[in-house]
Amino acid sequence: DAMVIQNPRYQVTQFGKPVTLSCSQTLNHNVMYWYQQKSSQAPKLLFHYYDKDFNNEADTPDNFQSRRPNTSFCFLDIRSPGLGDAAMYLCATSREKLYNEQFFGPGTRLTVL
Amino acid sequence: AQSVTQLGSHVSVSEGALVLLRCNYSSSVPPYLFWYVQYPNQGLQLLLKYTSAATLVKGINGFEAEFKKSETSFHLTKPSAHMSDAAEYFCAVSGSGGSNYKLTFGKGTLLTVNP
Repeated sequence: DAMVIQNPRYQVTQFGKPVTLSCSQTLNHNVMYWYQQKSSQAPKLLFHYYDKDFNNEADTPDNFQSRRPNTSFCFLDIRSPGLGDAAMYLCATSREKLYNEQFFGPGTRLTVL
Repeated sequence: AQSVTQLGSHVSVSEGALVLLRCNYSSSVPPYLFWYVQYPNQGLQLLLKYTSAATLVKGINGFEAEFKKSETSFHLTKPSAHMSDAAEYFCAVSGSGGSNYKLTFGKGTLLTVNP
């Protein structure tokens, strides 16, 4: 089945230790998104790629970066995680921007010690 | 600009009872509207979507929603709740063009189903 896959599902890191979260998709969608979701809150868009075109949200901290080496993969890098970065990180894809039905992965829950 | 208001952060129903989750939106362009469901420690799954076709939209798992432009609402209903419906539900809006393509989510409604 076509899907969005996130690895790992659970990640524990130490304060200030860089961490990378991975997302892959078999849907061949043009757009890939990263969201941060804290407990009992709505997902918050961090950034997205339309093909290789990177779009950062204005309020996304510089501590968060992303890479999309090819259509299938997208990575979220947190350069120096703080306690406030503990959250669920959701990857999503959509075929195009305009008709914006997004398909979500299962998420990676990040714990910062 | 667009926004979503979900009335009621927590809704509790009995098994077999009607489920009604409320969503009101604001959008400066004709909207696309979505309902997503999220089970604990999982991603979001699309329940249904409105994209300017029929105003009554049927989704998965017996859910449906009606787009009412005059009321700027897109409430989610299910005639008979099942225990497996217990989850968090998010209403979301995006614009139908221009720079309004991003999804704006409501704060979510946690649905509990009592036996």
